[in-house]
Amino acid sequence: LAKTTQPISMDSYEGQEVNITCSHNNIATNDYITWYQQFPSQGPRFIIQGYKTKVTNEVASLFIPADRKSSTLSLPRVSLSDTAVYYCLVGERGNEKLTFGTGTRLTIIP
Amino acid sequence: GAVVSQHPSWVICKSGTSVKIECRSLDFQATTMFWYRQFPKQSLMLMATSNEGSKATYEQGVEKDKFLINHASLTLSTLTVTSAHPEDSSFYICSALRQNQETQYFGPGTRLLVL
Repeated sequence: LAKTTQPISMDSYEGQEVNITCSHNNIATNDYITWYQQFPSQGPRFIIQGYKTKVTNEVASLFIPADRKSSTLSLPRVSLSDTAVYYCLVGERGNEKLTFGTGTRLTIIP
Repeated sequence: GAVVSQHPSWVICKSGTSVKIECRSLDFQATTMFWYRQFPKQSLMLMATSNEGSKATYEQGVEKDKFLINHASLTLSTLTVTSAHPEDSSFYICSALRQNQETQYFGPGTRLLVL
């Protein structure tokens, strides 16, 4: 499983766009990139998944460069409720094992 | 869609007792479910993979006789913490692998406190 590296923490003001970058230098050809959000005392919530280029849904966008060695989760116009830990995971789609790294603790400031 | 529930949401028990936690996929079938444990301020750690109709696969360092897993149907997996001790106090989270989408969806977690 490819290892991921994310910033430990980030702060942002309400209304700003937040970009969280994840490095995965050893990503394999069959690997997908998945992001989860976790609030305290809750299970992780699926945000977005992608393989290459750009993926967008109602919550976020995921940008993946051509070499796929990194990815960026973009959260548009964040609010206080977006304060959470965000995990980037890499693995073969349908792969049974998800290895969670330290995640990025995002704090939104009013 | 893709809702996973856990029961109970929290439990307090005495040392030496056993505790059963249920994980259900409410609106989809899951041949594979997973159990994680999370200590305060730490990331999730995979404990075991639960496959419907077969024995669970445990991660290194996880005692299979202490953490009994049963996956009796395509929508239910249970984790039983046997002879619980205070060091077993943690947040236990399950997830279910949704077929076709091949994405794991997580339950809300169960907080266990062993006194």
